[in-house]
Amino acid sequence: DAGVIQSPRHEVTEMGQEVTLRCKPISGHNSLFWYRQTMMRGLELLIYFNNNVPIDDSGMPEDRFSAKMPNASFSTLKIQPSEPRDSAVYFCASTNLASEQYFGPGTRLTVT
Amino acid sequence: AQSVTQPDIHITVSEGASLELRCNYSYGATPYLFWYVQSPGQGLQLLLKYFSGDTLVQGIKGFEAEFKRSQSSFNLRKPSVHWSDAAEYFCAASDQAGTALIFGKGTTLSVSS
Repeated sequence: DAGVIQSPRHEVTEMGQEVTLRCKPISGHNSLFWYRQTMMRGLELLIYFNNNVPIDDSGMPEDRFSAKMPNASFSTLKIQPSEPRDSAVYFCASTNLASEQYFGPGTRLTVT
Repeated sequence: AQSVTQPDIHITVSEGASLELRCNYSYGATPYLFWYVQSPGQGLQLLLKYFSGDTLVQGIKGFEAEFKRSQSSFNLRKPSVHWSDAAEYFCAASDQAGTALIFGKGTTLSVSS
């Protein structure tokens, strides 16, 4: 299996622009997680889905952030409009209910 | 509130020396516990996990961890560190398998020759 796939790996954008991060979970996994990693706050959950349904979005910072999972093999995290404080590494992870989470390589977002 | 604490921000160990990274958790019940490693610019790789049973857990790359309920701890150990072990180590917990993880702030391991 190719593991969790994230794209793009790096994104540089200007403040106010829309940013879309993409994730393909491991086939057969039914839970998908979005985490954000910053120096100040470390790794924190943004949102997670179970069977394509959002279960916990309490970590989504504000209405500028939205996430979707239209099917079992694809999820997006969108920031609109982006701000410099959104600069971070965004990780996607997936799991089935019996095992640990497998992480993708992350997307490093820089908002100037 | 549920939390995971890694008291040591940065540790330096000589190559060949033993290693212990500390992790404490605060949960209502015994959580599922994990150790992940992150090399610079990389994602997180699972070293080992504890769900139940034997409190001494063996992982990859020669790592092990011991769950101690009385101390709410899940410390990571390795008997002999290699230069390639230099990385950032994260302890994490969840209240059920397959649910969101709460991470500690991480411990950066440097290995001196």
